[in-house]
Amino acid sequence: QVQLQESGPGLVEPSGTLSLTCAVSGGSISSSGYWSWVRQLPEKGLEWIGQISLSGSATYNPSLKSRVTISVDKSKNQFSLNLSSVTATDTAIYYCARHFGYSFDYWGQGTLVTVSS
Amino acid sequence: QSALTQPASVSGSPGQSITISCTGTSSDVGYYNYVSWFQQHPGKAPKLMIYDVSNRPSGVSNRFSGSKSGNTASLTISGLQAEDEADYYCNSYSRSSPGYVFGTGTKVTVL
Repeated sequence: QVQLQESGPGLVEPSGTLSLTCAVSGGSISSSGYWSWVRQLPEKGLEWIGQISLSGSATYNPSLKSRVTISVDKSKNQFSLNLSSVTATDTAIYYCARHFGYSFDYWGQGTLVTVSS
Repeated sequence: QSALTQPASVSGSPGQSITISCTGTSSDVGYYNYVSWFQQHPGKAPKLMIYDVSNRPSGVSNRFSGSKSGNTASLTISGLQAEDEADYYCNSYSRSSPGYVFGTGTKVTVL
């Protein structure tokens, strides 16, 4: 069964860039045409960050669009998230997820990223 | 994209049925039949419970059912059990942007 695992620094300095990778195991990244990043602010709800297609076409949440880049590396069976100019308000648990039609069926366990100096 | 509106909390006794509402707009919930529901236990990742308004993924109990009317979708949990105590989030594809929007979340308490 497909498993997703987020990895990256747990601490990022303000104004820096948050970079995370989602490794897909137990199956090919080609098992779905789209992959997404979702975050959960502390004690808050879920927020969709954006998605990437296998062809490399990305779509972003308008509220984050100016700071977000999502990319895919099919050869490594993984996709990545870059969020620039971070502030304390970007502190959150970041999840990667596989698309199942217009939903998300497999999720990573999530990784906490704290923005602090 | 504004978050979909859910009640902050819903509670019920074991064996009862509860319904969680999810209100959006004519650009998301009301426009597409692409509403999903996720269950999230503390410290865990969200779990898909319902997709495309009313479909259950394999392995999800038939005590969970979904429906939609106009701009409002609903999740009903019948025969409430202690293990159902969790946070629940709705999600919809939106023609705004386009992209996805989540609900504000509902905490379900089993009394």
